[in-house]
Amino acid sequence: AQSVSQHNHHVILSEAASLELGCNYSYGGTVNLFWYVQYPGQHLQLLLKYFSGDPLVKGIKGFEAEFIKSKFSFNLRKPSVQWSDTAEYFCATWYSSASKIIFGSGTRLSIRP
Amino acid sequence: SAVISQKPSRDICQRGTSLTIQCQVDSQVTMMFWYRQQPGQSLTLIATANQGSEATYESGFVIDKFPISRPNLTFSTLTVSNMSPEDSSIYLCSVLLLAGGLSSTDTQYFGPGTRLTVL
Repeated sequence: AQSVSQHNHHVILSEAASLELGCNYSYGGTVNLFWYVQYPGQHLQLLLKYFSGDPLVKGIKGFEAEFIKSKFSFNLRKPSVQWSDTAEYFCATWYSSASKIIFGSGTRLSIRP
Repeated sequence: SAVISQKPSRDICQRGTSLTIQCQVDSQVTMMFWYRQQPGQSLTLIATANQGSEATYESGFVIDKFPISRPNLTFSTLTVSNMSPEDSSIYLCSVLLLAGGLSSTDTQYFGPGTRLTVL
């Protein structure tokens, strides 16, 4: 079965620091990967997604992620975080044979002002 | 895009009772999902509810405990039956908008969630 793992449970950064959140997926044929964000008290929102083509994917709010097939990774990055980036971040993959999205355990990002 | 509403937004229930959560979507969707998000944890898929077929439940979830209805392409309900404090969670409805097979234009949207507390 396809799965994703996020090893960072809680990340604490200062404003303007660079961010990289790890996500590793298990191989399962065609790979479709997503990053979602959940701000405190708000809905889940899609940050970006990768289906094919350019492995460097740009999303909303200055986020990007790089699909590295050889490392089975899809890490989320942002060069300079802001206090408003404080949220829970979820990596996810589309499990094609079962037609469903599988979520990682999530990474809580806390930004010190 | 899709706008999803859920009712109720939150509820506090007594042990042994049941609660039905409604999910309404502003467009017709084939694929609808119900998730649970327990405090401080990730989303766990309960079941997939596609219109015109029986809901498909994930391991650890059964129809008797979480019966689902999907009467049309814009509406679904999830019932949490015979509740216990362990059922306290946020329950999320989600839909997948497909553009003819999963493609770069397809997106999964989430409702605001129903926060359930069981005493």
